[in-house]
Amino acid sequence: DAGVIQSPRHEVTEMGQEVTLRCKPISGHNSLFWYRQTMMRGLELLIYFNNNVPIDDSGMPEDRFSAKMPNASFSTLKIQPSEPRDSAVYFCASSGYGTSGRGSYNEQFFGPGTRLTVL
Amino acid sequence: DAKTTQPPSMDCAEGRAANLPCNHSTISGNEYVYWYRQIHSQGPQYIIHGLKNNETNEMASLIITEDRKSSTLILPHATLRDTAVYYCIALNNNNDMRFGAGTRLTVKP
Repeated sequence: DAGVIQSPRHEVTEMGQEVTLRCKPISGHNSLFWYRQTMMRGLELLIYFNNNVPIDDSGMPEDRFSAKMPNASFSTLKIQPSEPRDSAVYFCASSGYGTSGRGSYNEQFFGPGTRLTVL
Repeated sequence: DAKTTQPPSMDCAEGRAANLPCNHSTISGNEYVYWYRQIHSQGPQYIIHGLKNNETNEMASLIITEDRKSSTLILPHATLRDTAVYYCIALNNNNDMRFGAGTRLTVKP
């Protein structure tokens, strides 16, 4: 298993543009999480899904942010329109029992992150 | 979930044991203690978790006090690659994990 896959790894965009971050969780995991990390605020949970259903989106900063999980193997985090204060590293994580038995209920496996810079 | 308190930074000599403390005095009976670490520029990595018994795996040991108000993560033989930020999290089984500031461990040669 390749682990959690995120794309792109780096994104530079201009203020006002739409940004879409993508995540492929570990096969068989049924929970998916989006986090944001900045120097000022540390690592923040934005939203998480159980079985493709959003459970808690209270960490989503504002309406400019939206997340979807159309199926068990794919999720997106969209920012529209983007602002310079959205610049951060965005991590996706998944948890649950994988097809190889890897994982446990709260053992989250993180992807490498997407470093977003909004100019 | 209970709040945790950790020292902001610690140093450890290479090859020695690193003992990272965590205070969770308001932890409830159904909350586990989880430890993660984040090496620079990487995503956090799960280390270990426990409820009330001490736990050990290939990465570390977790010692939880009898009253469960505090715990210690032990890296028995720290290496330079163990330099990272270590997060202690008290969590019940609700998947809602909130990271604090953690402890920045620097392993020195």
